[in-house]
Order: sequence, then C-alpha cells, then structure tokens
Amino acid sequence: QVQLVQSGAEVKKPGSSVKVSCKASGGTFSSYAISWVRQAPGQGLEWMGRIIPILGIANYAQKFQGRVTITADKSTSTAYMELSSLRSEDTAVYYCARTEADSSGYYRYFDYWGQGTLVTVSS
Amino acid sequence: DIQMTQSPSSVSASVGDRVTITCRASQGISSWLAWYQQKPGKAPKLLIYAASSLQSGVPSRFSGSGSGTDFTLTISSLQPEDFATYYCQQANSFPTFGPGTKVDIK
Repeated sequence: QVQLVQSGAEVKKPGSSVKVSCKASGGTFSSYAISWVRQAPGQGLEWMGRIIPILGIANYAQKFQGRVTITADKSTSTAYMELSSLRSEDTAVYYCARTEADSSGYYRYFDYWGQGTLVTVSS
Repeated sequence: DIQMTQSPSSVSASVGDRVTITCRASQGISSWLAWYQQKPGKAPKLLIYAASSLQSGVPSRFSGSGSGTDFTLTISSLQPEDFATYYCQQANSFPTFGPGTKVDIK
C-alpha cells in the first residue's frame, strides 16, 4: 500500500533554511502530485504548494512564493520541500500528502499523508 | 483565493449523538469539497470527497452533502473514536482549508 515517510524533526535558527524530504512507496510516484501542508501549533492546515513529478511542474501558494521550493527525484520516489528565510512563525509540523489525478486530470484530494515533520525555528 | 469557514468552531457531544458541521466557501465550488478528520499528533485522514463520496474504509455513519457554497458533514451516531477535529477543504482551485471544528466529549 502507499506510504509516505518523512525526514526527522529539525531545529533551525531564524534566517536559515530547512529542507524536508518525503519518500513514497507503493503506487506510481510520477503519476500523482505531492503537496506540502503545514500546521502551526494549535492551528489549522495550510497548503504551501505541490509538485507533479511526471510534469516536473511545481505550484506554490501565494503566501509562500519566493520562499519555498518543492522538488522531486523520480529515481528515488522522493519529494522535497525547502523553506528559506525562516522565522519563528514557521514553527510547525510539515506534512506531505498525495493527490491522484481525477478523470479530468485535476489533482484535488489528499488521500495519503506522511507522518509529519516538526520544524522548530528558534534562536 | 477561496476562503473557507466552518461552524461551529467546537461542539460538545455524547456517544450516540448526531453531529452536524457546516462549511461555507467564499465563492461557488460546485461539489469540489473534502472533509478530513484529525486526531492529536496524527496526520489528517480523508473521510469524504466530492462533497458526498465516502472514502474507502470510512464508516457509513459519516456522510456529506451540499454544493455551491454550503456543505455539511454529518456523523449519524457519534462513536468514541470520532472525537477529533474536522476540516473541510475546497478543491475547485489550489486547495484551502477551513479553520476546523473540534468535536469533544460532553
């Protein structure tokens, strides 16, 4: 079955960058999209962006444009999310999540999720 | 961006109760809506997609309805494992989530 396994917790200084990985197993990696969704402590879910490996196309939420980069390595079925210029407000659990294309080719719903990676930004 | 709101923000209920959660989109999204359940320390779990389609393996006590801007998630008979936070997500454009509704024990 499909599994998404994320890298471990990170502690970063303000102004630095963090790169989180998400390794997929089961299914066909290139045929679906991988999104990154974050959740600050006690808060709701926030979509950051996604990549469609088969197309090599990444899309980003406007809020994170210029600060987030999402990439994918098809050879290892791994997606990455790099967030730069970190500030304390970026302290959150970061999830990767899979979306399959529907019959119209749109990627809509997150059916599998990684276990989450806690990123703590603190001086 | 399409904004999503949910009501109530929290609800206290007992085992066996019928619970209804409402989600509203800032503009019409047809039936492109999902519901997720999240328990503390865990990733969200997809319950309902396309407003009313039950995800495989999800108990039939969960149901969804609505289209356009107004949607509802109903739990017909609340079970102990259903105490959690529920989020709606619009899928008409790049995804956005509602703020969540916490269902706790009365």
